[in-house]
Amino acid sequence: SQELEQSPQSLIVQEGKNLTINCTSSKTLYGLYWYKQKYGEGLIFLMMLQKGGEEKSHEKITAKLDEKKQQSSLHITASQPSHAGIYLCGAAGFNTNAGKSTFGDGTTLTVKP
Amino acid sequence: EPEVTQTPSHQVTQMGQEVILRCVPISNHLYFYWYRQILGQKVEFLVSFYNNEISEKSEIFDDQFSVERPDGSNFTLKIRSTKLEDSAMYFCASTKEREANYGYTFGSGTRLTVV
Repeated sequence: SQELEQSPQSLIVQEGKNLTINCTSSKTLYGLYWYKQKYGEGLIFLMMLQKGGEEKSHEKITAKLDEKKQQSSLHITASQPSHAGIYLCGAAGFNTNAGKSTFGDGTTLTVKP
Repeated sequence: EPEVTQTPSHQVTQMGQEVILRCVPISNHLYFYWYRQILGQKVEFLVSFYNNEISEKSEIFDDQFSVERPDGSNFTLKIRSTKLEDSAMYFCASTKEREANYGYTFGSGTRLTVV
């Protein structure tokens, strides 16, 4: 089964600072999702990356997929307290039901005002 | 914005009892899923459902679990005889397309506590 490792496990940044979260897969990545979760709540879909080199942005959040490294990075520019939460990456295969995703452990982000 | 609705938000049940967790997916979505997250652990896939049948399930989804779409709107997860280790957040999700190119929408979850 596909394993996803996220780093760092937790991150504390000052408001206004940039940050990067990484997600590395043990197997070939065919598609990767990024989600945000507040503790005890549901997952909010941020974006999906399908092709190597693909880069997508959602407000101040940008994610890239590096197929060769089997890795995706999530970058937040000028972080705000509203960015605080748990960021999860999830992987699915193109030819399988996309719902059967494997998730990383999550990265807990704290943004200090 | 359309939402996936889950009820109840929190359920406490005695070990051995049956529980039914309910979900109302987004109305024009066709694929439905259940996931669970034990406190402090990863989100884990349980089952996917399409065209009124299970399309895929994980090792977790054993004979104690079942899913049903009893009418055009609800999607339920039943645990027949709950165990302490079933305590977790259970998330329902739905997508319009199989490949979920636009991502899939999760509900806020049901926190199940088995005592």
